[in-house]
Amino acid sequence: KNEVEQSPQNLTAQEGEFITINCSYSVGISALHWLQQHPGGGIVSLFMLSSGKKKHGRLIATINIQEKHSSLHITASHPRDSAVYICAARGTSYGKLTFGQGTILTVHP
Amino acid sequence: ETGVTQSPTHLIKTRGQQVTLRCSSQSGHNTVSWYQQALGQGPQFIFQYYREEENGRGNFPPRFSGLQFPNYSSELNVNALELDDSALYLCASSLDFGGQGNSGHTEAFFGQGTRLTVV
Repeated sequence: KNEVEQSPQNLTAQEGEFITINCSYSVGISALHWLQQHPGGGIVSLFMLSSGKKKHGRLIATINIQEKHSSLHITASHPRDSAVYICAARGTSYGKLTFGQGTILTVHP
Repeated sequence: ETGVTQSPTHLIKTRGQQVTLRCSSQSGHNTVSWYQQALGQGPQFIFQYYREEENGRGNFPPRFSGLQFPNYSSELNVNALELDDSALYLCASSLDFGGQGNSGHTEAFFGQGTRLTVV
């Protein structure tokens, strides 16, 4: 079992739909990152959170430390949101990030 | 766009050769981590440098080595290249306040990656 598990692995939505991607982790963390990766490879950091909830535009990230679970929500999804979304757990011994396998999101017009 | 730049963006090497990849960290950042991402997989941690010292390493053989310079830029060197080394290599920089995972740190910013193909 991977230390960081994401679900679903693939997600297809129609424009305007509300989207949720889930991330569960089994290791102790100092923070959890949500990242976006487009074809071509570059990674963009969306959120870093260690408790509670953060919001940026149409994106919302939540984390429950006790349950070791985090979610990324996208409201009013748009085709430009199509990308791979990755959660990554930052360890407590040093800053190593352990990545989930990613969720491939495709939003159709 | 982040302030983290990687060079080169693409590279083709022959099996057995050596390669050096470079990463310029975001201004003010003192920590650089390197990751290998094989096609269709999530990135895997190679190692991390904090204030010019390696302070963490993943499950990669010694032919993967690195350096961090006084300006906190970093290099990843791979010797005796193998076909399986073909991957996207990503670096991430952050400002860490103690070098430990829970000693306080800023968000990590990633470069665009170097795509290495070994033939």
